[in-house]
Amino acid sequence: GAVVSQHPSRVICKSGTSVKIECRSLDFQATTMFWYRQFPKKSLMLMATSNEGSKATYEQGVEKDKFLINHASLTLSTLTVTSAHPEDSSFYICSAAEGSANEKLFFGSGTQLSVL
Amino acid sequence: AQTVTQSQPEMSVQEAETVTLSCTYDTSESNYYLFWYKQPPSRQMILVIRQEAYKQQNATENRFSVNFQKAAKSFSLKISDSQLGDTAMYFCAFSDYGQNFVFGPGTRLSVLP
Repeated sequence: GAVVSQHPSRVICKSGTSVKIECRSLDFQATTMFWYRQFPKKSLMLMATSNEGSKATYEQGVEKDKFLINHASLTLSTLTVTSAHPEDSSFYICSAAEGSANEKLFFGSGTQLSVL
Repeated sequence: AQTVTQSQPEMSVQEAETVTLSCTYDTSESNYYLFWYKQPPSRQMILVIRQEAYKQQNATENRFSVNFQKAAKSFSLKISDSQLGDTAMYFCAFSDYGQNFVFGPGTRLSVLP
């Protein structure tokens, strides 16, 4: 299957700093990428849908100024957690959709963010 | 809005036995995709199997097969000859041909030696 690369896999930062997470589709072009947050032993919670060249669509309750998403190319989307606080600590996963109807969804390996 | 329900938070099965995980969904769409994803302890999401709603034939992938009942909006996953490596969280998911992927709450499967 297609490969989605997500970096970093783990990051520890101080409260108030910003953290950028990258998501790349390595062998296909992804018009649409998704960002999820996952709490321990819970399902994936969709944060936002990002389409190349346009503004991301955020789910209700997700602060767009806190979680900045940029999808500048067909192979790269980034999530920046701005002014991170301990409550932002979580596992973040990106996914990229492939196919004319986005019928295939491939996932990055996730990023564990810990804010001290 | 579409919803996906998995009524079994946890299940266990003996190695080499067969287990079935349940999934129901709600949608007004007639064409869509359904998926089962596996998330092992590594937390990497892995696609197990995919079903296109317009196809009546149930999808199969080696030891994994589905029972897709469109009228009942049911999409169960059967794992045959369970292996220790099948231990993972299993998520049922729905896609409406584009922008929306909805995941169920997951079923934690433990394969016992």
